Amino acid sequence: RKEVEQDPGPFNVPEGATVAFNCTYSNSASQSFFWYRQDCRKEPKLLMSVYSSGNEDGRFTAQLNRASQYISLLIRDSKLSDSATYLCVVSDNNNDMRFGAGTRLTVKP
Amino acid sequence: DAGITQSPRHKVTETGTPVTLRCHQTENHRYMYWYRQDPGHGLRLIHYSYGVKDTDKGEVSDGYSVSRSKTEDFLLTLESATSSQTSVYFCAIMGGLNTGELFFGEGSRLTVL
Repeated sequence: RKEVEQDPGPFNVPEGATVAFNCTYSNSASQSFFWYRQDCRKEPKLLMSVYSSGNEDGRFTAQLNRASQYISLLIRDSKLSDSATYLCVVSDNNNDMRFGAGTRLTVKP
Repeated sequence: DAGITQSPRHKVTETGTPVTLRCHQTENHRYMYWYRQDPGHGLRLIHYSYGVKDTDKGEVSDGYSVSRSKTEDFLLTLESATSSQTSVYFCAIMGGLNTGELFFGEGSRLTVL
């Protein structure tokens, strides 16, 4: 079993749609959680950290459920520019960050 | 811009040849990492460094070695490349221990024939 699992997708949604991704992790000692975004043939970049209380950044909302060991990312009012692969990242310390394989999102006009 | 450059960006080599990838940073960050990215696996940590001459193994270190003789340079060496090492290699630095944010280089695409 992989330490961090994501639905690979692809998710194909129309502009303006709301889309949600989930990610599960197996290490109950995990302390830090992140969502990264990776455009095709580019390097990953931090989208947002995920806090225990949940957090929002504009159209993006991240939530953490420690009891069930999953994190989620909700994107509202999808834009064409949101098309990318979204990587779930989990860490029990900052020197060992485990990446999910990513969920691919395509937003269509 | 975190000031990270990787070289070479693309390389094609043959099985059994040595390969060295270089990661260079300009902002004096202490922690540096080498990851590989393969379809279906996401990014996997190969080795990391927490200072000059201080390195440690990651999840998939077999067949790789690293060196860090200067703060700004972190080298990844494949002593004898194999086809299973065909991958995209990303170097990263830790932007800050409090944030846990990794900044990545643009990647090095290696093909081993």
